[in-house]
Amino acid sequence: GNSVTQMEGPVTLSEEAFLTINCTYTATGYPSLFWYVQYPGEGLQLLLKATKADDKGSNKGFEATYRKETTSFHLEKGSVQVSDSAVYFCALSDRGNQGGKLIFGQGTELSVKP
Amino acid sequence: DAEITQSPRHKITETGRQVTLACHQTWNHNNMFWYRQDLGHGLRLIHYSYGVQDTNKGEVSDGYSVSRSNTEDLPLTLESAASSQTSVYFCASSDYRDHGYTFGSGTRLTVV
Repeated sequence: GNSVTQMEGPVTLSEEAFLTINCTYTATGYPSLFWYVQYPGEGLQLLLKATKADDKGSNKGFEATYRKETTSFHLEKGSVQVSDSAVYFCALSDRGNQGGKLIFGQGTELSVKP
Repeated sequence: DAEITQSPRHKITETGRQVTLACHQTWNHNNMFWYRQDLGHGLRLIHYSYGVQDTNKGEVSDGYSVSRSNTEDLPLTLESAASSQTSVYFCASSDYRDHGYTFGSGTRLTVV
């Protein structure tokens, strides 16, 4: 079945460091891929998405490229801020599913220190 | 502005009681979903609906039920609450598979 695997956290970085959170997936067909962010005590918010191979999603300085050949969708940011501290979830939506049912990874906690 | 709201935000209940968590959205989305979030498990799908009168089981549906009588609401019922159902519950809605979800703020449920 379809699945998403993320690197385990927590990830601790200093402010202005480079961030990479790895995400790989297993899916039949050509899924859409998403990154969500969850700040403490809140629900999840859509951060960025990509709907086909080689697409790059970007938002708030974060980027991720849909790599079909490596079945990956790694999240990157060039310079993190303390305000980026949150839990990040990678997810896929099977294109065979008209309703957009999402399968989530385990989440990766990011802590950014001043 | 359109929104998705969950109530209550926090709930403590006793083992064996029936509990209903509310989810209401004003996005006019056809698709609605319930997930539970537990440490080490990420988000796991409980039930979902693709429209009025449509409901489907997710990967952890035992002990839970939903009904969809209108577009706006998808209440989640725990038939007989168990301590294993202590969790944070999130409702979400979507209109199209490539648009992703809009999430509610969650309900923290404690079963004692």
